[in-house]
Amino acid sequence: QSALTQPRSVSGSPGQSVTISCTGSNSDVGSYRYVSWYQQYPGKAPKVVISDVSKRPSGVPDRFSGSKSGNTASLTISGLQTDDEADYYCCSYAGSHTWVFGGGTRLTVL
Amino acid sequence: QITLKESGPTLVKATQTLTLTCTLSGSSVSNSGVGVGWIRQSPGKALEWLAIIYWSDQEGYRPSLRTRLTIRKDTPRNQVVLTMINMDPLDTGTYYCVHIMGIQFFGTWGQGTQVIVSS
Repeated sequence: QSALTQPRSVSGSPGQSVTISCTGSNSDVGSYRYVSWYQQYPGKAPKVVISDVSKRPSGVPDRFSGSKSGNTASLTISGLQTDDEADYYCCSYAGSHTWVFGGGTRLTVL
Repeated sequence: QITLKESGPTLVKATQTLTLTCTLSGSSVSNSGVGVGWIRQSPGKALEWLAIIYWSDQEGYRPSLRTRLTIRKDTPRNQVVLTMINMDPLDTGTYYCVHIMGIQFFGTWGQGTQVIVSS
């Protein structure tokens, strides 16, 4: 079970859009629609922003969207705001009651 | 509203056993579909999923740590307990308790508890 692959960092200016990729394998991302994304501010617990590949939990702005193609999932944040600056982690169900996270991506809003 | 509270020692010595407790409020470890798990994060590192236990007593473990981890439920106390044996300084980090319905996503997180392993 290897960690999912994410870019270490991405950046964008306020108002722009950024996309964070998350590449797994046929054993996780490619086999299940249970891919979720978490936002984490320094020193805080993570919070889910996308579930089931593309669903937004209650309270999450519609600027956040998710998708999946094959073994790669993506999180897109449009209309960037300064408070979007955080770490983002993807997570996939991997079968047999196990999960795997990505290495995390630091989003910087310039 | 579901809340989770982790508790346990802040400091443990290498080779010792760590026992962490997660106390649930607003949900029950015996409710159909409920799962409670543990996720950790070493300083400056990524999240690592560790283990989960369901209302049905089904369990799941991180394969690389399977021999060191045990998770169990204490239904009367509405708690989930994680035990990790043979602690190492590399196990230092923040340990989060998480709540999940089915296998969709970790919807509720505890505030996390810091664990430092000294050599």
